[in-house]
Amino acid sequence: DAKTTQPPSMDCAEGRAANLPCNHSTISGNEYVYWYRQIHSQGPQYIIHGLKNNETNEMASLIITEDRKSSTLILPHATLRDTAVYYCIVRVRGNTPLVFGKGTRLSVIA
Amino acid sequence: GAGVSQSPSNKVTEKGKDVELRCDPISGHTALYWYRQRLGQGLEFLIYFQGNSAPDKSGLPSDRFSAERTGESVSTLTIQRTQQEDSAVYLCASSRTTITEAFFGQGTRLTVV
Repeated sequence: DAKTTQPPSMDCAEGRAANLPCNHSTISGNEYVYWYRQIHSQGPQYIIHGLKNNETNEMASLIITEDRKSSTLILPHATLRDTAVYYCIVRVRGNTPLVFGKGTRLSVIA
Repeated sequence: GAGVSQSPSNKVTEKGKDVELRCDPISGHTALYWYRQRLGQGLEFLIYFQGNSAPDKSGLPSDRFSAERTGESVSTLTIQRTQQEDSAVYLCASSRTTITEAFFGQGTRLTVV
């Protein structure tokens, strides 16, 4: 799997949009971008994934650049409960496991 | 069940003892994954199953670690002759197929004393 680069930590004010960047400059054409998060003392939680088009669900939006070398996860209105470590993973869909990096620790501040 | 269930939730064992950790995936999920997370660290992939077969065992840290899955359902992760460095939270996840999103359990916190 291609490696990803994420900032180790970010802060966001409650109610504002949280924009979490991820670089994946060596991504190959058949690799998807997945985002998971891990709230303290819990198992990771799936957020969203995409290939090349922007995606949106009830939790977040995923913006993937045209060259697919980077992406941004957007939490439109961050709450204190969104404080967590966010993991960006690139992965071929199929018989491959999810390989987690160090992620970004997002702190939402009141 | 409604989610991935792991047991026990906590396990304290003496160094040198064997332990078995259990994972009950979501019903109908064919893929099952095991991860280890040491305190303050990221998730370390151990092994995954597609059905009852394990195509990728590359993450098992030593031959003291083994895992099996039966009936395309429950999986057990066995650690023989536990060492203090085995202390960690062991997380299990399952997914309907290997291309759909994975759902994680709450983990088993293993402490080797």
